[in-house]
Amino acid sequence: GAVVSQHPSRVICKSGTSVKIECRSLDFQATTMFWYRQFPKKSLMLMATSNEGSKATYEQGVEKDKFLINHASLTLSTLTVTSAHPEDSSFYICSVARGGGGYTFGSGTRLTVV
Amino acid sequence: QKEVEQNSGPLSVPEGAIASLNCTYSDRGSQSFFWYRQYSGKSPELIMSIYSNGDKEDGRFTAQLNKASQYVSLLIRDSQPSDSATYLCAVTGETSYDKVIFGPGTSLSVIP
Repeated sequence: GAVVSQHPSRVICKSGTSVKIECRSLDFQATTMFWYRQFPKKSLMLMATSNEGSKATYEQGVEKDKFLINHASLTLSTLTVTSAHPEDSSFYICSVARGGGGYTFGSGTRLTVV
Repeated sequence: QKEVEQNSGPLSVPEGAIASLNCTYSDRGSQSFFWYRQYSGKSPELIMSIYSNGDKEDGRFTAQLNKASQYVSLLIRDSQPSDSATYLCAVTGETSYDKVIFGPGTSLSVIP
């Protein structure tokens, strides 16, 4: 199956700064990737669908200007949390759609905004 | 709004017993169904996938799908303490690149 690398695994930033999270598909050309966030003891909430070469599709209630997604190549999608605040602290996970119903998840990024 | 529901936990079973996890989904057009296991602080890992009605067995795990009832389940036989985790039911739509919608998860504890 596809190998997905997500970086960084953990980041602490100051309130008001921006943080970029990278999701790389190492051995599969990923036209579609997904970004999720997960609060403690809660399930994964889909934030957006990232499509290579086009704008991301955001789920209802997710601010596209706050969570910037770029999918400029078939191997890389990035999520930038802009002007981060403590309430943005969460576990962010990307996944790659391999087609045929298969999905591979990155290892996740624990974001803490102080 | 597409929804995926799971039986409320936490679920506790003794070591060696069968753990039964249940899931229902609202979108009748859903085509692919997955069970993921997630350990605390880690990302989900795929346990089983099932696409057609009936049972699918893989080692100690059996997934059951009933599209008419919009119901999917996971049975874990001979439960081990290492099976203690949160189990997430996930459902996708009609295309190979549809987004995955996750259920809220069921926490399973296997007591030695």
